[in-house]
Amino acid sequence: GAVVSQHPSWVICKSGTSVKIECRSLDFQATTMFWYRQFPKQSLMLMATSNEGSKATYEQGVEKDKFLINHASLTLSTLTVTSAHPEDSSFYICSARTSGGLAYTYEQYFGPGTRLTVT
Amino acid sequence: AQTVTQSQPEMSVQEAETVTLSCTYDTSESDYYLFWYKQPPSRQMILVIRQEAYKQQNATENRFSVNFQKAAKSFSLKISDSQLGDAAMYFCVFQGGSEKLVFGKGTKLTVNP
Repeated sequence: GAVVSQHPSWVICKSGTSVKIECRSLDFQATTMFWYRQFPKQSLMLMATSNEGSKATYEQGVEKDKFLINHASLTLSTLTVTSAHPEDSSFYICSARTSGGLAYTYEQYFGPGTRLTVT
Repeated sequence: AQTVTQSQPEMSVQEAETVTLSCTYDTSESDYYLFWYKQPPSRQMILVIRQEAYKQQNATENRFSVNFQKAAKSFSLKISDSQLGDAAMYFCVFQGGSEKLVFGKGTKLTVNP
């Protein structure tokens, strides 16, 4: 159980275009989802926290107008990179956590990641 | 703000041997969670082991165990009987009341046959 999927796994887009990445919790309801960015051979950097039905909370230094996050349902969060540029090329990872009930846990379940290449 | 420090960028171990990865952290919180995640070449983050700060007993998961020293804010991971499949990047991770995960910079583990 506790599977998180991401789509697409790899996307190439041209500079100036926008690209959407989906993060889905397949077998549980995710009240909170997190978006991370990982540069090659580096650690994960938290970009934003999204809660279902409310606006995302962005970390300091992350442009909210460039990285649009929508958590429209308990199983889906999307990250849209607007007007992408080559410096936005990176590996984007989402995670999801459930809460409440007898199975309450602090564990976050990670998606497999999306490699974005902007040409 | 919490910080997590992994002082070993790279480690290597012979197959079937034991290796210990170090991690220290800094926090003013008393209730928190600590994790070790591994990220193999596939880049899928995999939870290795979890420790609740209020528990004095060190967590164990088969060949993986931790040495949790709360007063020293130390959280090392011991891998026994290392296997080729253990080769990966290992991240020490802190989670406090904010629910945000704070990652260390990682330790790349190589397992030599």
